Amino acid sequence: GAGVSQSPSNKVTEKGKDVELRCDPISGHTALYWYRQSLGQGLEFLIYFQGNSAPDKSGLPSDRFSAERTGGSVSTLTIQRTQQEDSAVYLCASSLNGEQFFGPGTRLTVL
Amino acid sequence: AQSVAQPEDQVNVAEGNPLTVKCTYSVSGNPYLFWYVQYPNRGLQFLLKYITGDNLVKGSYGFEAEFNKSQTSFHLKKPSALVSDSALYFCAVSSPVAGNTPLVFGKGTRLSVIA
Repeated sequence: GAGVSQSPSNKVTEKGKDVELRCDPISGHTALYWYRQSLGQGLEFLIYFQGNSAPDKSGLPSDRFSAERTGGSVSTLTIQRTQQEDSAVYLCASSLNGEQFFGPGTRLTVL
Repeated sequence: AQSVAQPEDQVNVAEGNPLTVKCTYSVSGNPYLFWYVQYPNRGLQFLLKYITGDNLVKGSYGFEAEFNKSQTSFHLKKPSALVSDSALYFCAVSSPVAGNTPLVFGKGTRLSVIA
């Protein structure tokens, strides 16, 4: 079956613009996670959705970052008023019973 | 709070030699431990996990890892390295309290296998 997919694969934007990153998890996976991978910071947890529960937003670095998960499936990560320090690879993962399966990531470059 | 340490940024090994990539962790209670590998311009690929049971866990591509509770370690090993094993390796931990929980990753170790 299909794995986790993310779009776009690459995004270049100008400082101050808003961006939306999309994640399609594996069908039937109840949990969905967003992580960020950047130089010097390694892999950081951003936000986590589990079923119909309220998301765990404890990893979001600022209020410019938000995410939603519609219908328990597709998720969108939105970054408002992007800054250069937001440049990173944004990874999405989904899981059913603990093991997380990762998508290929979206490389975001903020000029 | 959970944390993972990978003390080596870079590990170099000759092809055919055994390799070890080190990982230590800190977590309340019993941990779930994972190793992931990342090849250039690719996403993270799952290698193996320890949940419970036998301390020696075998995973993909001939890799294995040993859970050592007293030393809070989960080192990744392979008896004979291949050039194709060259990649970035991440150790991760999660808490078993609630089943699906976010992973806390180490900083990663870059493995270079030299022919």
